[in-house]
Amino acid sequence: AQSVTQLGSHVSVSEGALVLLRCNYSSSVPPYLFWYVQYPNQGLQLLLKYTSAATLVKGINGFEAEFKKSETSFHLTKPSAHMSDAAEYFCAVTEGSSYKLIFGSGTRLLVRP
Amino acid sequence: DAMVIQNPRYQVTQFGKPVTLSCSQTLNHNVMYWYQQKSSQAPKLLFHYYDKDFNNEADTPDNFQSRRPNTSFCFLDIRSPGLGDAAMYLCATSREIQGGQETQYFGPGTRLLVL
Repeated sequence: AQSVTQLGSHVSVSEGALVLLRCNYSSSVPPYLFWYVQYPNQGLQLLLKYTSAATLVKGINGFEAEFKKSETSFHLTKPSAHMSDAAEYFCAVTEGSSYKLIFGSGTRLLVRP
Repeated sequence: DAMVIQNPRYQVTQFGKPVTLSCSQTLNHNVMYWYQQKSSQAPKLLFHYYDKDFNNEADTPDNFQSRRPNTSFCFLDIRSPGLGDAAMYLCATSREIQGGQETQYFGPGTRLLVL
């Protein structure tokens, strides 16, 4: 069965520092992978998605993620954190024609001034 | 802009009093989903519509029902809300593409409070 693991329920960085949010997946077939961001009392907004076209995926707000099949990882990075990046981030996977998104447990990003 | 709209954003109901949450979309997507998200948790899929075909998740309580009268609208009915049903309810849509589903797009959510 598919699963998604997000290491670290909370990550704290200083403003201007590198952001690294970790996501590992298990999938028996090539997956589609997503990162969503959720601000307080808001819905989920798509940051980026991987659909096998390119292993390095660039998203909105300066975020990017790299698909590493050998490590079954899809970590999210941003070179320089901004205060407005403070939010909950969810990694999710779906396989092939499946409609179902499997979410990780989420990582709350805190940005210190 | 094309979008997913949920009304109301906040809903207060009484224990046991039926409540309906609504979702509409201007994306013309054929698949619509309802998720329940409790505090500090990931969204949990309740059910989805593939066109008019209703698909219930195995662990969704009978207390939760849904209607999709047309492509644009989908409703979530909670027949007898309990305190444990207080949560954020998220609607999402996607479009079927060859070989799979396209990205799911989420609405802003409705936060339900049960008194």
